[in-house]
Amino acid sequence: DVVMTQTPVSLPVSLGGQASISCRSSQSLVHSNGNTYLHWYLQKPGQSPQLLIYRVSNRFSGVPDRFSGSGSGTDFTLKISRVEPEDLGDYYCLQSTHFPYTFGAGTKLELK
Amino acid sequence: QVQLKESGPGLVKPSETLSLTCTVSGFSLTSYHVSWVRQPPGKGLEWMGVIWGDGSTAYNSALKSRLSISRDTSKSQVFLKMSSLKTEDTATYYCARDLSYWGQGVMVTVSS
Repeated sequence: DVVMTQTPVSLPVSLGGQASISCRSSQSLVHSNGNTYLHWYLQKPGQSPQLLIYRVSNRFSGVPDRFSGSGSGTDFTLKISRVEPEDLGDYYCLQSTHFPYTFGAGTKLELK
Repeated sequence: QVQLKESGPGLVKPSETLSLTCTVSGFSLTSYHVSWVRQPPGKGLEWMGVIWGDGSTAYNSALKSRLSISRDTSKSQVFLKMSSLKTEDTATYYCARDLSYWGQGVMVTVSS
């Protein structure tokens, strides 16, 4: 199985500040069709995960442009600029290139 | 709009079989795939399996021997059945359309 290593585990931030979360995979996430199926989710307390970024860098419908994704191959990053209170929660990366699909262990974004 | 809602028993005994239903609206099951994902209390996300628009399925190898996913397109429902339940199967179970739209989840406790 592809192992997704997500860092840091916890990320204290100040409101209005910037946050960066890393996700590294144990093998390349480039599919044979040329696409890279790496996605980012936010799970707020007591809620379902919500899709933020799909296929590395595409913002899902309604996601503010404060969220951006980048990376390639095995190394990916989610950046959040101008952190707002509603951004706090657990962030997960997911790869859906290889079966079984696998999630990172999560990063808790919390107030400093 | 796209909606998914999971339903099923909140409590199941060890060694029994879990049956969950995901009722969807706002899209056709023949056009989109639906995955099941679970989350033990206080822990991360685990992808369980998927049923594709053509009705074919793929499962997490860790669960494959116990897991079955099926559907009834006329009722817009996707079903999960997992046998030989253990206490470590206690989790919130989510269904998700192409891992973009998620249901609210249903909490299942495995206990005698």
